[in-house]
Amino acid sequence: EVQLLESGGGLVQPGGSLRLSCAASGFTFRTYAISWVRQAPGKGLEWVSSISSSGGNTYYADSVKGRFTISRDNSKNTLYLQMNSLRADDTAVYYCTKDAHSSGWFRDAFDIWGQGTVVTVSS
Amino acid sequence: EIVMTQSPATLSVSPGERATLSCRASQSVSDNLAWYQQKPGQAPRLLISGASTRATGIPARFSGSGSGTEFTLTISSLQSEDFAVYYCQQYNTWPPWTFGQGTKVEIK
Repeated sequence: EVQLLESGGGLVQPGGSLRLSCAASGFTFRTYAISWVRQAPGKGLEWVSSISSSGGNTYYADSVKGRFTISRDNSKNTLYLQMNSLRADDTAVYYCTKDAHSSGWFRDAFDIWGQGTVVTVSS
Repeated sequence: EIVMTQSPATLSVSPGERATLSCRASQSVSDNLAWYQQKPGQAPRLLISGASTRATGIPARFSGSGSGTEFTLTISSLQSEDFAVYYCQQYNTWPPWTFGQGTKVEIK
């Protein structure tokens, strides 16, 4: 079964840091581009960051650029999101999701989503 | 940045009736448009990609149409499990990948 499983969420104070992980199984992780999408409480979906299959290309939403870093370890089938200088408006459920196309690039919709991990930024 | 606008914000429909949801892009996205369904407490689920291609396991009562800037998701006969929030998303021009604000389909 194709699965993505996020972890690492929690409560953090403003200005703090957190590292999210997303463990993949059931598919050839190294051949897919992967993204992070978040959802603030009661709000819609917001794209956060994406990474190509090799890790050589990364993209960020303006709202997180310079504070968040996406990375992946294809030997461990795991995606990461390092989040620094966290703010209250980063509070959200963070989902990892894979591109539907196995080219390693961003060619298609997001076909598989993890169950999400909750990040709460509050003092 | 391409802005995706969905209408209506809320759609009240009786079980068995047809539901028609709209999504408009601020500039052409060709047919690089996806629809997702999200139920409370759950992750989004891909319904449609390429504007009109159902994802694996999605029932035939879900259909998508459109290209360019105007898109429609139709649910031909609403079942109880279809009451949810639906999002459109463009993946034609990125970054950023952008979503509509969602349409909530509720029981009338």
